Amino acid sequence: GENVEQHPSTLSVQEGDSAVIKCTYSDSASNYFPWYKQELGKGPQLIIDIRSNVGEKKDQRIAVTLNKTAKHFSLHITETQPEDSAVYFCAASRGRHGSSNTGKLIFGQGTTLQVKP
Amino acid sequence: NAGVTQTPKFQVLKTGQSMTLQCAQDMNHNSMYWYRQDPGMGLRLIYYSASEGTTDKGEVPNGYNVSRLNKREFSLRLESAAPSQTSVYFCASSVTGLGDNEQFFGPGTRLTVL
Repeated sequence: GENVEQHPSTLSVQEGDSAVIKCTYSDSASNYFPWYKQELGKGPQLIIDIRSNVGEKKDQRIAVTLNKTAKHFSLHITETQPEDSAVYFCAASRGRHGSSNTGKLIFGQGTTLQVKP
Repeated sequence: NAGVTQTPKFQVLKTGQSMTLQCAQDMNHNSMYWYRQDPGMGLRLIYYSASEGTTDKGEVPNGYNVSRLNKREFSLRLESAAPSQTSVYFCASSVTGLGDNEQFFGPGTRLTVL
């Protein structure tokens, strides 16, 4: 079945450095790739997403890149701050072009990011 | 707007006991979901309801049942709890069941089965 692999499982950076989290997916029909941030004791919250017709998307310090040929996508956080410390999840779905899998997000295993002051 | 609310926040059960996890959303969303989160395994879909009156199995439905009570409420029932069901359970909702809709998550229920 569909699978999303996420690396690394933990990541520790100094404040101000960049952080990169990578994901690969198995379902070639996937066309929507969101990233969720989960703070301690809370539910995940969408921070950025990208669709398969776009190679890169940026929102202030956060950017996501997509390589459809290689079936991988990455989250880039620049100028990290202590409040970026959280668990980050990538996910993939067939978006609007699927049928039986419509609506289903397949999540990666999560990356715990620690930003040291 | 409270968003997505879940009750209870914490629960301890003994093996074989039953319980229902409650979820409600006030965003007039059509679709609702139940996930479980386990260390190193991310979020796995248990059941979802694309619209009021419909429910479908996700990746890990065994041992669970769901009820879409109305447009606002979606409950998850454990008929006979097992230690393997110890997990954090999240309810989520989205405007539609289309896969590119943002999902809004509740704060979670931490369940321990002894």
